[in-house]
Amino acid sequence: SQQGEEDPQALSIQEGENATMNCSYKTSINNLQWYRQNSGRGLVHLILIRSNEREKHSGRLRVTLDTSKKSSSLLITASRAADTASYFCATDAAGNQFYFGTGTSLTVIP
Amino acid sequence: EAQVTQNPRYLITVTGKKLTVTCSQNMNHEYMSWYRQDPGLGLRQIYYSMNVEVTDKGDVPEGYKVSRKEKRNFPLILESPSPNQTSLYFCASSITNTGELFFGEGSRLTVL
Repeated sequence: SQQGEEDPQALSIQEGENATMNCSYKTSINNLQWYRQNSGRGLVHLILIRSNEREKHSGRLRVTLDTSKKSSSLLITASRAADTASYFCATDAAGNQFYFGTGTSLTVIP
Repeated sequence: EAQVTQNPRYLITVTGKKLTVTCSQNMNHEYMSWYRQDPGLGLRQIYYSMNVEVTDKGDVPEGYKVSRKEKRNFPLILESPSPNQTSLYFCASSITNTGELFFGEGSRLTVL
């Protein structure tokens, strides 16, 4: 399966700290995306990084991509209680499917 | 407002009773897809559609059907639901098969 895996499965930090979560995948991709999901709600797109990019920033988010290791990381700086959610990476393979990881559950303690 | 709308949001049904979960998007997106989310398994793709009248199986298509007669609609059909189809279902759409996905709010289905 192309499905990715996020690491760690769960992360608990204090407000103001940085949160880093990682994603590994199995086959070549066009793009890698990160999504956020508040409990039981629909996923919301955070950022997309193309296979020829190594790093991308969006506000407090920083994403890196290492295609040689088939891995990506999402860094959330200066975390807030409102960042509490599950975070998923998603990849697209040569076909037309999207593959999601199993998610990292982030808890930010006020 | 750009959105993907799913209905119903919650449904409890019994084994074997056919049901349809509707999905509609107002963004003129070519690509639409269905996912199920189960604890510990993440989101798994059930079916996807590249355009009108073009549908393909995802990773877990067994027990499901879809149709794409109009660009905006992509209903998910469970002909004979079984308890192992109890799950949280999401519809999503995108301009292309590699772009940002826009998700609906989800449909929580329980099959007794």
